[in-house]
Amino acid sequence: DIQMTQSPSSLSASIGDRVTITCRASQVISNYLAWYQQKPGKAPKSLISAASRLRSGVPSRFSGSGSGTDFTLTISNLQPEDFATYYCQQYNSYPYTFGQGTKLEIK
Amino acid sequence: QVQLLESGPGLVKSSETLSLTCTVSGGSVSSNSYYWTWIRQTPGKGLEWIGYIYFSGYTKYNPSLESRVSISVDTSKNQFSLKLSSMTAADTAVYYCAREVMDSSGWYLSWGQGSLVTVSS
Repeated sequence: DIQMTQSPSSLSASIGDRVTITCRASQVISNYLAWYQQKPGKAPKSLISAASRLRSGVPSRFSGSGSGTDFTLTISNLQPEDFATYYCQQYNSYPYTFGQGTKLEIK
Repeated sequence: QVQLLESGPGLVKSSETLSLTCTVSGGSVSSNSYYWTWIRQTPGKGLEWIGYIYFSGYTKYNPSLESRVSISVDTSKNQFSLKLSSMTAADTAVYYCAREVMDSSGWYLSWGQGSLVTVSS
């Protein structure tokens, strides 16, 4: 299986800040990488696919980059509704695998 | 707008078999455009992809669960189902059904709301 490692596991930031979350794959996955946002008691919400393609309806302050094994999710100008847990997921090969999550908290 | 809704018991006894159903509305499980998927989330292991079924009945499972899992589809009810045998406390999780899509907007997973399953001894 492809292992997905996210860092940091938690992050404190303030409204208006810019934050970056990193995801590393244990082998090359091209750009078959998705990012999700999850709030307590809710299902994950798709933010980005193909490493950098924003899903419909997702604010432009979210952006993704990377290819191969190293990827980043950047959130600019943090808003109150952005405080949540974020996950990366590879869909290069089955079984699909997820990162362990990054919890973004208000400072 | 395709929507998914999981249903099933919230409590399962250890060693028994879990049965969950996902009802699809706004779309058809007979569509050749999607893979109908199950994913679970545990506090310990996080998000884990369980497997999928295609409209043809073709299935693919996570090797870590393959000996215990079965996914089936019922086109007459527009549902697909998960069975997981020999349940243990480690299988306590929120189980999500999802639709894997590749369309003009790209690849994505569209998730149901989730169903909490607790395994009791």
